[in-house]
Amino acid sequence: EAQVTQNPRYLITVTGKKLTVTCSQNMNHEYMSWYRQDPGLGLRQIYYSMNVEVTDKGDVPEGYKVSRKEKRNFPLILESPSPNQTSLYFCASSFAPPSGTNGYTFGSGTRLTVV
Amino acid sequence: AQKITQTQPGMFVQEKEAVTLDCTYDTSDPSYGLFWYKQPSSGEMIFLIYQGSYDQQNATEGRYSLNFQKARKSANLVISASQLGDSAMYFCAMREGLQGAQKLVFGQGTRLTINP
Repeated sequence: EAQVTQNPRYLITVTGKKLTVTCSQNMNHEYMSWYRQDPGLGLRQIYYSMNVEVTDKGDVPEGYKVSRKEKRNFPLILESPSPNQTSLYFCASSFAPPSGTNGYTFGSGTRLTVV
Repeated sequence: AQKITQTQPGMFVQEKEAVTLDCTYDTSDPSYGLFWYKQPSSGEMIFLIYQGSYDQQNATEGRYSLNFQKARKSANLVISASQLGDSAMYFCAMREGLQGAQKLVFGQGTRLTINP
């Protein structure tokens, strides 16, 4: 089944403890992206990658890192999480660029709470 | 300035009625794409419908149609014959340019509740 797999689905962590949210897709998509969703703000892009070893900042990259060493994987790294990073995170992928026939496929989301 | 604006934080509709969810956008790029996504309470994002800026006809997908008014920069989603399962959060999103910034910009969302 074609899908984007994020892990974990839920995570509660403490301030300052490094964490990684994994994202993997099995559709051979070039383009992958991370978004965070906050009430009243919709989804905002954190980082995106157009292909292996090509990554760039989105609208809200502060406090996050990413890497794209393999086409299928695009992990999101929080080196020192803070409470303002409590959010619902989505990984998405597509054949670039996203269009009607190449719409984004989203993962199921990761709900992160930083205390 | 907001690139995508959804002015209805919440809507309540009776089952079987049609519902229109508003979306206005702001871009100076002649080439862009508009998307609608549904997010049920389980949290996943489900792609519903797409409209390209050069498409001559309004997009339709089953009970979903997109009322695209280019001059007004609006891309409202119309759901015909609403069902209880349509209760969800709905997001409008835009991609600018053919290659562009390689991202979708999302609106704030509208929470739709269908009453039996």
